[in-house]
Amino acid sequence: QTVVTQEPSLSVSPGGTVTLTCALSSGSVSTTYFPSWYQQIPGQAPRPLIYSTHIRSSGVPDRFSGSVLGNKVALTITGAQPDDEADYYCMLYVGNDVVFGGGTKLTVL
Amino acid sequence: QLQLQESGPGLVKPAETVSLTCRVSGGSVGGTTYHWAWIRQSPGKGLEWIGSIYYGGGLYDRGNTYYNPSLRSRVSISIDTSRKQFSMKKEFYLTLSSVTAADTAVYYCARQYSGNWAFDLWGQGTRVRVSS
Repeated sequence: QTVVTQEPSLSVSPGGTVTLTCALSSGSVSTTYFPSWYQQIPGQAPRPLIYSTHIRSSGVPDRFSGSVLGNKVALTITGAQPDDEADYYCMLYVGNDVVFGGGTKLTVL
Repeated sequence: QLQLQESGPGLVKPAETVSLTCRVSGGSVGGTTYHWAWIRQSPGKGLEWIGSIYYGGGLYDRGNTYYNPSLRSRVSISIDTSRKQFSMKKEFYLTLSSVTAADTAVYYCARQYSGNWAFDLWGQGTRVRVSS
């Protein structure tokens, strides 16, 4: 069974930079897995942030960026804002299956 | 502006079957550009993809479905077949059988772009609680 792993929790100071990563149990993550990222504030539906590894969804500030980082993919927030405190999920397309990571709880303090 | 809205019974008894509906306003579920998906989130847990359906639009087309292997034996996703014109199809459905407490969750419907598999539009979610 495919497992996608994210850091359970991270923290960042306001104005700081933080990188969240997404790893695949069966090997390296590549662009062929069509990585995407979602932000979820508790009590709300997920919000699309990044698709196809690095393309920002409509209306997403440019402080959010996606990339390949070694054998993982990454979401970097540069100049974190208090409103960025949320849960972040990566998603990979593996075969005909969609697999979400377990999520990273990001604290901005 | 296209919007998705889930609806369902809210409370289901163990071992029963739950049926949820996702209504699309401002568009339709027909066409090749998008898949249509169900995703759930158990209390305090992460997101879990349930499955997706792709509706090509043929008169007798019932849609191509893809399911999470862990749920495949209990899940069915279908498209509204009551209207002949695919451009008028406004709903898709989730049926989950033999439910247990582990199926208690918020169930989201979402639009999935066929070109990159990302979920670019989400409903607000509907809560399903399994309890006797």
